[in-house]
Amino acid sequence: DQQVKQNSPSLSVQEGRISILNCDYTNSMFDYFLWYKKYPAEGPTFLISISSIKDKNEDGRFTVFLNKSAKHLSLHIVPSQPGDSAVYFCAATLEYGNKLVFGAGTILRVKS
Amino acid sequence: ETGVTQSPTHLIKTRGQQVTLRCSSQSGHNTVSWYQQALGQGPQFIFQYYREEENGRGNFPPRFSGLQFPNYSSELNVNALELDDSALYLCASSLQRPNTEAFFGQGTRLTVV
Repeated sequence: DQQVKQNSPSLSVQEGRISILNCDYTNSMFDYFLWYKKYPAEGPTFLISISSIKDKNEDGRFTVFLNKSAKHLSLHIVPSQPGDSAVYFCAATLEYGNKLVFGAGTILRVKS
Repeated sequence: ETGVTQSPTHLIKTRGQQVTLRCSSQSGHNTVSWYQQALGQGPQFIFQYYREEENGRGNFPPRFSGLQFPNYSSELNVNALELDDSALYLCASSLQRPNTEAFFGQGTRLTVV
């Protein structure tokens, strides 16, 4: 039962352009969503989060959009940089819950 | 402020053996969670400890057990290792209330042969 899905295993983008990573979830009880970035041989690094009471959250080049009716969120990176090349994980949780439920990840490659 | 550190970074064990993985939480965090990340998958929740008590468990058998110590460091123990236990084991620390961003260690790569 995969409650969080990232349907694109990989994405390739030119430097300076926008990267859009997508994530779908099935459990309508989730009320907090996070994006993590992971480089090889490192643990996941927190990137940005959004509460279900919002539909958008921005932090510099990173913006997360949440569409609750569609149970869909997306991460936009503008402009994309080669250093953004990594695996990106979407995760969902209950704000007062005890676990993060992760998607399988999307490999982002930013070409210079 | 120190981050989350895990030891060892790599480990090779034989099927049937037991293993203990260790984690030091980020300063000020009272909650530690353990995740298993198999190749090509996202991390999967094993269990969480809050103030030395287990506070939730994922779909893992009882041979996966843990401990949290008064200084909030933690251990993950796996008995009777199976080949499918080969994975990256991640420790994450957080403040339980609210359950916002968790900070991960670099992981322990366990290989069972």
